[in-house]
Order: sequence, then C-alpha cells, then structure tokens
Amino acid sequence: DIQMTQSPSTLSASVGDRVTITCRASQSISIWLAWYQQKPGKAPKLLIYKASSLEPGVSSRFSGSGSGTEFTLTISSLQPDDFATYYCQQYSSYSEITFGGGTKVEIK
Amino acid sequence: EVQLVQSGGGLVQPGGSLRLSCAASGFSVSNNYMNWVRQAPGKGLECVSVIYREGTTYYADSVKGRFTISRDDSTNALYLQMNSLRADDTAIYYCARQSGGLDVWGQGTTVTVSS
Repeated sequence: DIQMTQSPSTLSASVGDRVTITCRASQSISIWLAWYQQKPGKAPKLLIYKASSLEPGVSSRFSGSGSGTEFTLTISSLQPDDFATYYCQQYSSYSEITFGGGTKVEIK
Repeated sequence: EVQLVQSGGGLVQPGGSLRLSCAASGFSVSNNYMNWVRQAPGKGLECVSVIYREGTTYYADSVKGRFTISRDDSTNALYLQMNSLRADDTAIYYCARQSGGLDVWGQGTTVTVSS
C-alpha cells in the first residue's frame, strides 16, 4: 500500500494568514492526489484533484501543487470558514486509495 | 441534483451483520467508480471498498472476507453488506463517487459494534 504522511498534524493560525500543509507519498503517485476539507459532523468536501486542479465552486484562495511524492495545499488568506481538518488522498490506483492522517487547522 | 442519500447503520453486537444503503440521484452508479469510506471516532479516513464501472470489486485487508460491496443498477443504489462485525468496525460510513477525487459524498451513517 502507498502510505501518505501529512504535516503538521495540527496548525494554529490567524485569520488572514497564509497556510501551507504538506503531504508526502511513500512512492511516486504522479499527480494523482486530492485534498479534502472536513468539518465536525460533516462529510469531507473535495477541494483539489490531480494535485492542482480546483474543484468547481471551491474558493480560489485554495491551491495545490506538487508531483511525484511531495505535495502542498496552500490557503492564501485564512478565513473563519477555513478552520477545519484537511486530508490528502492518493488515487494512483483506484483499488487502493489511501488518505493522509489529517491536519487540523485551529484558531491561534 | 447530484446526491447520495444513505440509510442503514445502527447498533449491532460483535459477530452480527448490517447492510448499508446509498441511493444515488442525478447520476448513475453503474457508470462510476463507487466507494465506501469509514471514519472511526476521532480518527482519519479509510477506504474500505470500491466497485468499478465494470463490476470489479476491491476491499481493504481489514474487511476482506467480511464485507461485500454491491450495486443495483435498476434502483441506482450502492450497498455494503457487513458480516462478522467487530468492535474496530465502529465508525461513520460514507458512500462516495470517485471521479478523480471523491467528488460526491453521502451524509454518513453510524455503525456501532458493541455488546
């Protein structure tokens, strides 16, 4: 199985901050990476697919980059609605999709 | 409207069985890759099963031999039959459409395995 490692596990930030979350794959996954936002009691929401493609309807303050084994999710200017937990997910093989452990973005 | 509406779940004793349902609208489950993803209390996300458009199925090692994914093309629904349930199967279970990323999710249903 391909292991996905996210860092940090928790991040404290203020409204307006630029925030970056990192995701590393245990082997190359090309660009087959997605990012999700999850709020308490809710299903995850797809933000980014194919490493850098913005899902329709998602704010442009979210962006993704990377390929191979290193990826980042950036929130350009953190808004109150962005405090949540973020997960990366690889789908280089649809039969064995795996998620990172999550990054909780908290209010500083 | 494209959506997934889940039903089933609940409290079951260890060794028991449950069947989860996921009704799709606005698209066909038969034309998509469909997944079941679970989230144990306070934990991250785990994909437990996927069914391909052509009907091929895959399972996580943690549920292989105990869970069965299926779909009914006539009713446009996805199912997860869960047998021999264990305490560590306790989680919220989500159905989700896979189109690159998982772009459409059900609302989730809670499964609690406890005596």
